[in-house]
Formats: sequence, structure tokens, C-alpha cells
Amino acid sequence: SSELTQDPAVSVALGQTVRITCQGDSLRSYYASWYQQKPGQAPVLVIYGKNNRPSGIPDRFSGSSSGNTASLTITGAQAEDEADYYCNSRDSSGNHLGVFGGGTKLTVL
Amino acid sequence: EVQLVESGGGLVKPGGSLRLSCAASGFTFSSYSMNWVRQAPGKGLEWVSSISSSSSYIYYADSVKGRFTISRDNAKNSLYLQMNSLRAEDTAVYYCARDGEAASVDAFDIWGQGTMVTVSS
Repeated sequence: SSELTQDPAVSVALGQTVRITCQGDSLRSYYASWYQQKPGQAPVLVIYGKNNRPSGIPDRFSGSSSGNTASLTITGAQAEDEADYYCNSRDSSGNHLGVFGGGTKLTVL
Repeated sequence: EVQLVESGGGLVKPGGSLRLSCAASGFTFSSYSMNWVRQAPGKGLEWVSSISSSSSYIYYADSVKGRFTISRDNAKNSLYLQMNSLRAEDTAVYYCARDGEAASVDAFDIWGQGTMVTVSS
């Protein structure tokens, strides 16, 4: 099985830009997807594929990838962006989306 | 409205069994692979199991293999998770999640609200 590694916590000043990263061998073959989860709520997909946002996700959220590292960037972070963020990818065989990162707690100061 | 609604969670003793259900609506359920993802209290997300649209392909996390069984009934737009030989470490919120690949979204694009499973004596 594959593993994805995320920093446990990141902070950003209100209105500034923050990058959350995710590392893993599977990212050399598959794109990461990113999920936002607020306390007591289900995860919400915010980025998938090369850099795609589902309907309703603000354009301040963007994604990128290089080698074994995927990144989620929030440009102009808002107070409501404070949440846990998880990356996800297919497993090494590509059969299922079975690999999650450990999550990054984003604090907006 | 596209929606997934889980049910069946509760308190169960170690070694016991529980069956979770997920009712889908608002989309062609039979076209999508479906998954169970869980989250232990205060912990991160853990993928549990996946089933393809026609049930031809089924996958499990090592942590539940041999104890959990995923299934679906496309006629009833429903996904299931039969959980046997439950352990304390299976305590978690269990989410039903759609694999959006059939809609060209290579991600879990739709999630249910989750159902809590507590394994304790």
C-alpha cells in the first residue's frame, strides 16, 4: 500500500497565501485530491485532478503537483478556511482511491 | 439533489456485528463505484472499502479484511457494510463516499453525513 505525508499543522495570517503539501510515491502516477473538513462535518472535495474545483468552491483554492509532491494553495485565506485538510490519491495499483494523508490543521490568524 | 444518507450505526460490544447502510439519491447509483471511509474520534480519514459499479471489483483496507464485507443493491440505490468481529479500534464515524470517476472526477466527490459506530463493553 502507499502512504501520503502531510504537515500536521500550518498557520496563515488573514488574507495571506498558504500552501499545504502532500508527499507520496503514488503522486508520481496519480493526481491528488484535496478535502476540507470542519469540526463535526463531513469532508468536502475542494480540488481534484490537475487543478479542478467542484462547483461552489471559491477560486482562491488551487492545486498543483511536481514529482512526488502535491500542493493545495489558498490565495487570500479567509477565516472560514480554518479547517482540517486531507489529501487523497489512488493506491499504487490504481484500483481505488484508498490512500489518505494524515491531515493538516490550518489555522487562520 | 445528489445525496448519500448513512444509517445503522450504534453501540456494539467487542466481537459483535453491525450492518451499515447508505441510501443514494439524485444520481444514477449503478454507474458509480462506492466507498466506505471512516474517522476515529480525533483522528484522520481512513479508507475502508471500495466496490465497483457492478460489484465486480471489491477492495478492503488490511485493517478490516476478513471481518468487513461491502455490498450494494443497485435496484435499491443502496450501499452496505457488514461489520463482524468488531474491535474497539473500529470505533469511528463511517462515511459513505462516491467515487466520481464516472463523472470524470477522480476523487470522492459526494459524501454522506456519517454514522457513528462505537465498540465498547
